[in-house]
Amino acid sequence: EVQLVESGGGLVQPGGSLRLSCAASGFSFSSWVMTWVRQVPGKGLEWISSISGGGDTTYYADSVKGRFTVSRDNSKNTLYLQMNSLRAEDTAMYYCGKGSSYSISWQSHWGQGTLVSVSS
Amino acid sequence: DIQMTQSPSSLSASVGNRVTITCRASQGISTWLAWYQQKPEKAPKSLIYAASSLQSGVPSRFSGSGSGTDFTLTISSLQPEDFATYYCQQYNSYPVTFGGGTKVEI
Repeated sequence: EVQLVESGGGLVQPGGSLRLSCAASGFSFSSWVMTWVRQVPGKGLEWISSISGGGDTTYYADSVKGRFTVSRDNSKNTLYLQMNSLRAEDTAMYYCGKGSSYSISWQSHWGQGTLVSVSS
Repeated sequence: DIQMTQSPSSLSASVGNRVTITCRASQGISTWLAWYQQKPEKAPKSLIYAASSLQSGVPSRFSGSGSGTDFTLTISSLQPEDFATYYCQQYNSYPVTFGGGTKVEI
């Protein structure tokens, strides 16, 4: 059974940093594109970043480019999102999603999410 | 960027009704389209990928169709557990983009 478990969310001040993790199990982690999607409470879904199975190719939304960095440790079956220079508008629930073997994909499975609040 | 426009933004329906949600892409995306269901305080759940392929475990009352720019999600007979918000997503090119959502209410 595919399982994705996010962690690392919390309250952080504007300009601060946070690192999210997504622990994966139940599938061959290194074979699949992984994605981060966020959702402001009460609003829609926003794709923010994807990373190839090998970790050598990354993609970012303009809203986070230069501030967020996606990475993965295939030996630990874990996906990461390093978030720097956080802003109030980054406040959201952050979900990780499992893609496919293609470079761009839908998300077949999702974690339960981790909440990030940026406030002074 | 490819814009995804869903309609309606909300609808009211009854158990047993047939429900259709539409999604329009600002440019052609072939069949690189997915549909998701999200219930309050829960993570999204994949329903349909490649415009018409049913995700494993999803009931057959859900179906998807379309190609190019116009797509539909149909629920053939609405069940109580189907009241939720539905999102379309294009994955033809980065940045991946979602529609604004359709809330299905009683």
